[in-house]
Amino acid sequence: GAGVSQSPSNKVTEKGKDVELRCDPISGHTALYWYRQSLGQGLEFLIYFQGNSAPDKSGLPSDRFSAERTGGSVSTLTIQRTQQEDSAVYLCASSPRQRFEKLFFGSGTQLSVL
Amino acid sequence: AQRVTQPEKLLSVFKGAPVELKCNYSYSGSPELFWYVQYSRQRLQLLLRHISRESIKGFTADLNKGETSFHLKKPFAQEEDSAMYYCALSGGSNYKLTFGKGTLLTVNP
Repeated sequence: GAGVSQSPSNKVTEKGKDVELRCDPISGHTALYWYRQSLGQGLEFLIYFQGNSAPDKSGLPSDRFSAERTGGSVSTLTIQRTQQEDSAVYLCASSPRQRFEKLFFGSGTQLSVL
Repeated sequence: AQRVTQPEKLLSVFKGAPVELKCNYSYSGSPELFWYVQYSRQRLQLLLRHISRESIKGFTADLNKGETSFHLKKPFAQEEDSAMYYCALSGGSNYKLTFGKGTLLTVNP
């Protein structure tokens, strides 16, 4: 089908609420990445999945952040008790097993925490 | 640890002028370097990678291991080149792509 799909495209929430961001990778892509893009900070690595397992969670900023991937496909990034500093664009990308030349990005979720 | 530095947040040139976007990296092993581009209201996409040694949209980049640099160059900038450019590095673990903070290029008419 199409490329990497992310939903919602925009999310406005109140400080302290939980949010879930969804990523549908390209079919057959076993590697899935979450990045956070904020002004002046570039792309910040959050987490990497190979299949359903996450060998590297080192980029998650705090224990309020978690992510899972099921069926080797859809991934959800959850942010609990959101803070204003969580406001950013959250990007998902997928590739066939660590082939960065075939890494495709979604259009992102713009998260605004009021 | 792997690190990518793009010293210029903003770069403005006139159409037809040469452009160079700087990228320096820090990595102890043999890195794989990439340039990604994000045009206005479009998704981030791969522009080129050092292994392929190709020219894309007139852009080239040469890996200089001595200077640990991977600068992106184009001899004659076009207005459609205006975009955010990110340099990225993949190290030995080969699953982590580390990005710089990006350079916003504006090509003026």
